[in-house]
Amino acid sequence: NAGVTQTPKFQVLKTGQSMTLQCAQDMNHNSMYWYRQDPGMGLRLIYYSASEGTTDKGEVPNGYNVSRLNKREFSLRLESAAPSQTSVYFCASSAKVASYEQYFGPGTRLTVT
Amino acid sequence: EDQVTQSPEALRLQEGESSSLNCSYTVSGLRGLFWYRQDPGKGPEFLFTLYSAGEEKEKERLKATLTKKESFLHITAPKPEDSATYLCAVQAAGGTSYGKLTFGQGTILTVHP
Repeated sequence: NAGVTQTPKFQVLKTGQSMTLQCAQDMNHNSMYWYRQDPGMGLRLIYYSASEGTTDKGEVPNGYNVSRLNKREFSLRLESAAPSQTSVYFCASSAKVASYEQYFGPGTRLTVT
Repeated sequence: EDQVTQSPEALRLQEGESSSLNCSYTVSGLRGLFWYRQDPGKGPEFLFTLYSAGEEKEKERLKATLTKKESFLHITAPKPEDSATYLCAVQAAGGTSYGKLTFGQGTILTVHP
């Protein structure tokens, strides 16, 4: 039981490049989330998917898109990376959206130059 | 707007020296308050969920308590392996924030042998 896995662990992009961060969970959870963590800002929600087939914006969605590929997988895409998107990205999952603890993956450290 | 403030920002303890971390919150109807532990370079690890004032949860040397305005994480006789950043988060009941966790900036705990 791996829990929540993320790939890649590290990535360096140039401004304007695109990339997709992958996330998968094996806990049969319905809900999945993408957060970014920045020094002094804490963890902030980018997008979430309450259940397979649905996605909703979080606190900081601009510059990102998401795809809930199936119940296990939730990807985050940066279409045109900007230096402001340099951050550590965490994927999380929970059994349901409301009142259930979220379990986090190990993170992807992204640097945009 | 939901807000979470954690104090102190950093706490240094000697092994065996008990103390408490504070999490003050403002939320329009609390659905749940969550405590996480985060080690350097890793994702947050779920510790506790508290739902209503007066509730307490314990795990090894940690005990979390909840009032209507704040939560405390009590650490009894800490060991060096308890060194980590401790994060507090709240989830509001309903509205446009449905499902969203609002995180505090964390308390960095260092326990010296």
